[in-house]
Amino acid sequence: DIQMTQSPSTLSASVGDRVTITCRASQSIGNWLAWYQQKPGKAPNLLISKASNLESGVPSRFSGSGSGTEFTLTIDSLQPDDFATYYCQQCYSYWTFGQGTKVEIK
Amino acid sequence: QVQLQESGPGLVKPSENLSLICNVSGDSVTSGTYYWTWIRQPPGKRLEWIGYSYSSGSTNYNPSFESRVTISVDTSKNQFSMRLISVTAADTAIYYCARVGPPAGSVRDWGQGTLVTVSS
Repeated sequence: DIQMTQSPSTLSASVGDRVTITCRASQSIGNWLAWYQQKPGKAPNLLISKASNLESGVPSRFSGSGSGTEFTLTIDSLQPDDFATYYCQQCYSYWTFGQGTKVEIK
Repeated sequence: QVQLQESGPGLVKPSENLSLICNVSGDSVTSGTYYWTWIRQPPGKRLEWIGYSYSSGSTNYNPSFESRVTISVDTSKNQFSMRLISVTAADTAIYYCARVGPPAGSVRDWGQGTLVTVSS
């Protein structure tokens, strides 16, 4: 299994802050990485595929970068709607997810 | 726009088998290059990919579930299903059906999820 580890597990931030979440894979996965946002009681929503491809309809304040084993999700100017839990997912082999990063209001 | 809707029992007894169905509308389970997928999320835990049936009919399962799970497609009803045998309390989770890809692995389309509790 490819293990996915996110940091931090919880992040306290304010509206307008720039937020960065890191995801590390236990082995190289190229750019086969996706990012999701999940709100309580809802299914996850795909934000980014192939490490840096922003999905249609996702605000441009979201961006993804990285390759190999280290990846980041950045949210520029955090908005009230962005307080949620974020998951990374490797799509390289037997898809696995990170443990999640909860972005909460500071 | 594709819509997916899970259905099945909300409560299953330990050692029994769990069967869930995903009804698909807005697309055909035989079309395109999609992976008809089951994913679950135990309470407060990370998402877990269970497996998929590809539109060609082939299947692929998470090794953690491979000995217990079967995913199949019913083209006549435009739905796909999952059967998980010999459940335990550890199988308590929200189960999502999803249409995945391309690119492979990217889950754009999710069902709303159905909570399955394993308890006597």
